[in-house]
Amino acid sequence: DADVTQTPRNRITKTGKRIMLECSQTKGHDRMYWYRQDPGLGLRLIYYSFDVKDINKGEISDGYSVSRQAQAKFSLSLESAIPNQTALYFCATSDSWASEAFFGQGTRLTVV
Amino acid sequence: QQQVKQSPQSLIVQKGGIPIINCAYENTAFDYFPWYQQFPGKGPALLIAIRPDVSEKKEGRFTISFNKSAKQFSLHIMDSQPGDSATYFCAASSGNTGKLIFGQGTTLQVKP
Repeated sequence: DADVTQTPRNRITKTGKRIMLECSQTKGHDRMYWYRQDPGLGLRLIYYSFDVKDINKGEISDGYSVSRQAQAKFSLSLESAIPNQTALYFCATSDSWASEAFFGQGTRLTVV
Repeated sequence: QQQVKQSPQSLIVQKGGIPIINCAYENTAFDYFPWYQQFPGKGPALLIAIRPDVSEKKEGRFTISFNKSAKQFSLHIMDSQPGDSATYFCAASSGNTGKLIFGQGTTLQVKP
């Protein structure tokens, strides 16, 4: 099983719909992150969490919200999806005392 | 504002060639500079990383060169192979936050 698991892997949704992307990890790491990947822009940080009670906005948090349900689970929500949120979304984890980030396989989201 | 600028956007080399990917950064507080490799359908994975107290780091066929005064760092792939064909991202972070600022990515194709 993968260390960082994202569900769903692919999703097509309509404008205005609420959608949740889920992430779970078995690394035992405290820190979890949500990134968005767009062609030509690299990966940009949406939200990050250092533990269950510590959640922080990243570079591009507008239109997104997150929930850290447990150390191992971190979900990303789009309350009202819009077409420019069409992208590849990655969840990642890292250890408190190291900087290597471990990424999930990504969720390809299309908003039509 | 792109804090980490990466070039070129794409690169094609013959097997055995030495592709070089360059990155430049603005924030002098950055103290950790990793390179991530991403294959289609997969999440990025750490390839090699450097801290600013050294000017070069080698791991197998991969070398990072770091120029602190110029605020630039680059990835060299020696004896490149078709299996190295992937997208490469440079990144930077500061402190122990684990928050990565990514470059725009370079798609490398190594022809047999």
